[in-house]
Amino acid sequence: AQKVTQAQTEISVVEKEDVTLDCVYETRDTTYYLFWYKQPPSGELVFLIRRNSFDEQNEISGRYSWNFQKSTSSFNFTITASQVVDSAVYFCALSEAFGNEKLTFGTGTRLTIIP
Amino acid sequence: DAGITQSPRHKVTETGTPVTLRCHQTENHRYMYWYRQDPGHGLRLIHYSYGVKDTDKGEVSDGYSVSRSKTEDFLLTLESATSSQTSVYFCAIRGTGGISYNEQFFGPGTRLTVL
Repeated sequence: AQKVTQAQTEISVVEKEDVTLDCVYETRDTTYYLFWYKQPPSGELVFLIRRNSFDEQNEISGRYSWNFQKSTSSFNFTITASQVVDSAVYFCALSEAFGNEKLTFGTGTRLTIIP
Repeated sequence: DAGITQSPRHKVTETGTPVTLRCHQTENHRYMYWYRQDPGHGLRLIHYSYGVKDTDKGEVSDGYSVSRSKTEDFLLTLESATSSQTSVYFCAIRGTGGISYNEQFFGPGTRLTVL
């Protein structure tokens, strides 16, 4: 069975600080996908990134970066120079790479950026 | 925009009544999913579909049924609503080609309250 753990339930940081959201996963599959989604206060789910298990390169997109470490089964998300608009709930998710590819979500981390 | 709409967006109903939620997509995606979101649980898969009339159960399927008689519509039915089914329900589709392969895009959600 697949499992995703986001141990940080809530995080608050002052604007412009860097913040890292942790994600640890469990799977027996050798090939899988990892995802991050953002849920702002308006409630929609916004796709941020998909990472294939074969690709362990870290990725940077503007102020966002992701650190994938297969050895520790972690897929952490860092926001650099945080802004108030980053306030949201962030979900990490895992899916099998073949078949019906259902998503298994973590319980989410609520990030609050204090102006 | 993946062309996903959900209806209704909000519904209040009473225990024991049947409820049907509709998910509609405009881009002919094969895979569709229903999730529910509850505090402390993240999103959990209820049912999914991998084609017209092809559906299967997810993690929390008890008390729910689904139907997919045409590609664009995926219906979720609560035969006899209970208070434990008060939740926010999200429909999702999965991209099947190009850069969106295996990305799941979510509808805006339906907030259901069972009194």
